[in-house]
Amino acid sequence: AQSVTQLDSHVSVSEGTPVLLRCNYSSSYSPSLFWYVQHPNKGLQLLLKYTSAATLVKGINGFEAEFKKSETSFHLTKPSAHMSDAAEYFCVVSDRDTGNQFYFGTGTSLTVIP
Amino acid sequence: KAGVTQTPRYLIKTRGQQVTLSCSPISGHRSVSWYQQTPGQGLQFLFEYFSETQRNKGNFPGRFSGRQFSNSRSEMNVSTLELGDSALYLCASRLPSSGGYSYNEQFFGPGTRLTVL
Repeated sequence: AQSVTQLDSHVSVSEGTPVLLRCNYSSSYSPSLFWYVQHPNKGLQLLLKYTSAATLVKGINGFEAEFKKSETSFHLTKPSAHMSDAAEYFCVVSDRDTGNQFYFGTGTSLTVIP
Repeated sequence: KAGVTQTPRYLIKTRGQQVTLSCSPISGHRSVSWYQQTPGQGLQFLFEYFSETQRNKGNFPGRFSGRQFSNSRSEMNVSTLELGDSALYLCASRLPSSGGYSYNEQFFGPGTRLTVL
């Protein structure tokens, strides 16, 4: 069965410091993995996706994530946080075992302190 | 390309009423999924439609239903509304799967905020 665990429900960082949002997944097959961001009262926007190509994936706004199969992890990082990064972040797993249905993590709320 | 659009954006209903929400996918996207988002339960999958057929269904009661039209537009209906149905309802579209395996991301609309009083 597929599942996603986002290890931190809240993360606070100072502006200009690195961001690390952690995600672990379980999947029967080679999964597709995604990170989405949701700003208040908005829909979800795709940050990046992993689809069995390069394990280090670069996304929009300076975010990147590394797929580590041995650790079943797909952590999201950014070298330097910006105030506009404050939002809710969702890790998502999908694979053909469930008809490519998306399974969402519970989300991590990122606060950026000026 | 225009993004996913959802109407209405906000809706207030009373218990026992029914409601219909509409979603227009990105042009060329034939797969449409619906999600319910609440503070307590997070993002929960309702159903997915592809070429007018329901392909996947989440764990929701039969009061929640949907359909897809030949132009890929989709509607979801909730009958006999309950207070717990208050939520943000998100629609997402994506390109269809190829060979049963999809690498394709979903594109989300801004959502419909439903309040049940």
